[in-house]
Amino acid sequence: GENVEQHPSTLSVQEGDSAVIKCTYSDSASNYFPWYKQELGKGPQLIIDIRSNVGEKKDQRIAVTLNKTAKHFSLHITETQPEDSAVYFCAATRAGGTSYGKLTFGQGTILTVHP
Amino acid sequence: ETGVTQTPRHLVMGMTNKKSLKCEQHLGHNAMYWYKQSAKKPLELMFVYSLEERVENNSVPSRFSPECPNSSHLFLHLHTLQPEDSALYLCASSQDTAGWGQETQYFGPGTRLLVL
Repeated sequence: GENVEQHPSTLSVQEGDSAVIKCTYSDSASNYFPWYKQELGKGPQLIIDIRSNVGEKKDQRIAVTLNKTAKHFSLHITETQPEDSAVYFCAATRAGGTSYGKLTFGQGTILTVHP
Repeated sequence: ETGVTQTPRHLVMGMTNKKSLKCEQHLGHNAMYWYKQSAKKPLELMFVYSLEERVENNSVPSRFSPECPNSSHLFLHLHTLQPEDSALYLCASSQDTAGWGQETQYFGPGTRLLVL
């Protein structure tokens, strides 16, 4: 089955700096890679996703890049703000197949943005 | 708000109790999921329902019993749980389980369960 490794487990940055979280996956058939943000007391919230037919996607201050050859994808947050502090999860799945929506999640990254 | 609600938000139960968790989605989705989130562990998929039919049971102990009476509601019935079952239980829904572009999952806020 799929295995997703996420690094780092904790990340501390100053407000205004950039933050990068990296994930690697094992199944070359995976083709859908969402990123979730989980704030204290809440469920994970989708912030951006990327499919294997593109290499990069951007939405305001967040961007995701995908390297299919190396089987890794990364989340980039620019101009970080204190409200970006949360736990971030990457995930991978093979959409359109018989995976029955089985997302495999990384272990999570605790991001802290200091004012 | 994601359109997925869960009740109760917090639950304390003894090992001999029977309780149920409820999830409701207002997104018109066809697929619903139960996940377990424990400290220091990745989210673990427990069950997947597509059009009220269970399509995945991820080796979950029988003390957890899911029920999906219709595509908007999902229950998780709990009985004779163990302290190690204490965790955050998350419900999610998606348009479909397969099909390109239909698999994005939206999560509810979760039920924080403590088993004494």
